[in-house]
Amino acid sequence: EPEVTQTPSHQVTQMGQEVILRCVPISNHLYFYWYRQILGQKVEFLVSFYNNEISEKSEIFDDQFSVERPDGSNFTLKIRSTKLEDSAMYFCASTDEDLYNEQFFGPGTRLTVL
Amino acid sequence: AQSVTQLDSQVPVFEEAPVELRCNYSSSVSVYLFWYVQYPNQGLQLLLKYLSGSTLVKGINGFEAEFNKSQTSFHLRKPSVHISDTAEYFCAVSDHSGGGADGLTFGKGTHLIIQP
Repeated sequence: EPEVTQTPSHQVTQMGQEVILRCVPISNHLYFYWYRQILGQKVEFLVSFYNNEISEKSEIFDDQFSVERPDGSNFTLKIRSTKLEDSAMYFCASTDEDLYNEQFFGPGTRLTVL
Repeated sequence: AQSVTQLDSQVPVFEEAPVELRCNYSSSVSVYLFWYVQYPNQGLQLLLKYLSGSTLVKGINGFEAEFNKSQTSFHLRKPSVHISDTAEYFCAVSDHSGGGADGLTFGKGTHLIIQP
């Protein structure tokens, strides 16, 4: 069964450093998403991406964040200058437009900012 | 804008007993409703969804949920739980306006603890 994959599973970085989190969505899907979950809190929507551009973004997704689909398979989230409060689990998801927004999630990347 | 409330952060249940996990939502427009499960160290897996039609929806692993528009609820139920059901359960909502571009709005999650 096709699945969303994410790498790395755990990323440790120093405050102020740039990180790139990688995702490979399900191959025939058209919409891609990033969410984050700070420890002990709810899963929060960051951004959706369709047709090589951002479709929707939340207030959390400020100028330090960017997304890119550099090739036909990868979907990345870049955090330009990490802060302590960026420490969280980051989930990638994808969906086919025919699936009524049933989103398929990856296993997540745990980002720890020191 | 939507919001989702899961009032119970933890629900302990004995094995083979029934369970109900509560979810209430608020939205000014029609919504799609979802329940996701997260097993330890894994991603979110879809349990079931309500899109339209019958208000009682059945999902995987013997779970079902009932959409109640007047009470704006979408409670998850299982008649007999197993140890393997121990996990975090998230209720989520999406409105109809943006199609596939919409992000899901999640509740805080309910940790289901099955006691032998």
